[in-house]
Amino acid sequence: GQNIDQPTEMTATEGAIVQINCTYQTSGFNGLFWYQQHAGEAPTFLSYNVLDGLEEKGRFSSFLSRSKGYSYLLLKELQMKDSASYLCAVSLNTGGFKTIFGAGTRLFVKA
Amino acid sequence: DTAVSQTPKYLVTQMGNDKSIKCEQNLGHDTMYWYKQDSKKFLKIMFSYNNKELIINETVPNRFSPKSPDKAHLNLHINSLELGDSAVYFCASSQATSGSGDTQYFGPGTRLTVL
Repeated sequence: GQNIDQPTEMTATEGAIVQINCTYQTSGFNGLFWYQQHAGEAPTFLSYNVLDGLEEKGRFSSFLSRSKGYSYLLLKELQMKDSASYLCAVSLNTGGFKTIFGAGTRLFVKA
Repeated sequence: DTAVSQTPKYLVTQMGNDKSIKCEQNLGHDTMYWYKQDSKKFLKIMFSYNNKELIINETVPNRFSPKSPDKAHLNLHINSLELGDSAVYFCASSQATSGSGDTQYFGPGTRLTVL
């Protein structure tokens, strides 16, 4: 079976750092995505990790450990506009360009 | 320049009706998808087409029928609409590369409400 787990909600303060964790158990693994989705809008791409390690992109970084089935998204210098849902998604290599999404973590950034 | 567009943005209809949602992408991608996002915000794949060929067909009632007239368009027709079909439907496209995987670009979504 395919399973992706991430916390339902998190709250953090403007200017702080927050880490959103994701664990997955899937049959077949190509890579792991993080998408951001603001309320009422479409998901937008944040990052893609294939190899183990940390990838940094501005205020956002994403980490992957394939052996542990674990990833996290790190958001630094939080801004109010970072309040959104963050979706962890796994690209499968079972054929057919299939990506499965976690239920998302709703992040609330407070002043 | 809208990369992935969907019409309509909102759709309110009665149970039992038949409706269609249209999707177009101008990114030159080979693969297009339909996703359903329910009230719990869980995004679930329904169908995927690659160069007009159906490659993913998840466990979706056969009242849902996708059609891809060309690789830039993927439409979704729904027959005999039911209350449980109420959701936001997202179209997406991708072009798989070794560096970015099959990063998906989503349309704005179609909010379907069945009364």
